[in-house]
Amino acid sequence: DGGITQSPKYLFRKEGQNVTLSCEQNLNHDAMYWYRQDPGQGLRLIYYSQIVNDFQKGDIAEGYSVSREKKESFPLTVTSAQKNPTAFYLCASSKGGRAQGYTFGSGTRLTVV
Amino acid sequence: GQQLNQSPQSMFIQEGEDVSMNCTSSSIFNTWLWYKQDPGEGPVLLIALYKAGELTSNGRLTAQFGITRKDSFLNISASIPSDVGIYFCAGPRSMEYGNKLVFGAGTILRVKS
Repeated sequence: DGGITQSPKYLFRKEGQNVTLSCEQNLNHDAMYWYRQDPGQGLRLIYYSQIVNDFQKGDIAEGYSVSREKKESFPLTVTSAQKNPTAFYLCASSKGGRAQGYTFGSGTRLTVV
Repeated sequence: GQQLNQSPQSMFIQEGEDVSMNCTSSSIFNTWLWYKQDPGEGPVLLIALYKAGELTSNGRLTAQFGITRKDSFLNISASIPSDVGIYFCAGPRSMEYGNKLVFGAGTILRVKS
């Protein structure tokens, strides 16, 4: 079955470290997205990519970086510049075109220790 | 701007009761989407609405696209314990934002068994 897979489910990071969250999809979707979710704040867009080798900043890109070398993969790196990285991170993909909605992964919970 | 305001923020209802929640915006939307997020998981699309006045059902869920195109409503009939979670409305931003989705902050539903 097609879907979108995020790993790991839980991740712990020491202050000052970079960590990379994985997102892989086999839906043949062109567009991929990264969201951050904090309690009571809904979903905030970090980065998005509409095509391989191209990506744009979302609303809260500072302290994050991404790459899109393959259609199936859109990893997110949380850098040491991100001052408050503890959150639930969601990856999504879509066909693009008409807003049919996104397919989400099951999320990665990142905690700074 | 293109913000979505959801109400109520949270609800605590008795099993078997009907539930209503809504989503409003100061901007016109051409598509309304309703998602449900189970605890610790990614959101899943429940209902998509594409036409003003449209009323669409999915089992015990019914959603409506408001006539003004600035609001949408979601109703759940005869709630059960597995209805708990966060319900998000979403809609595509304007063309200048590449039609990416903007999400409301969510309505948290808790059900008493």
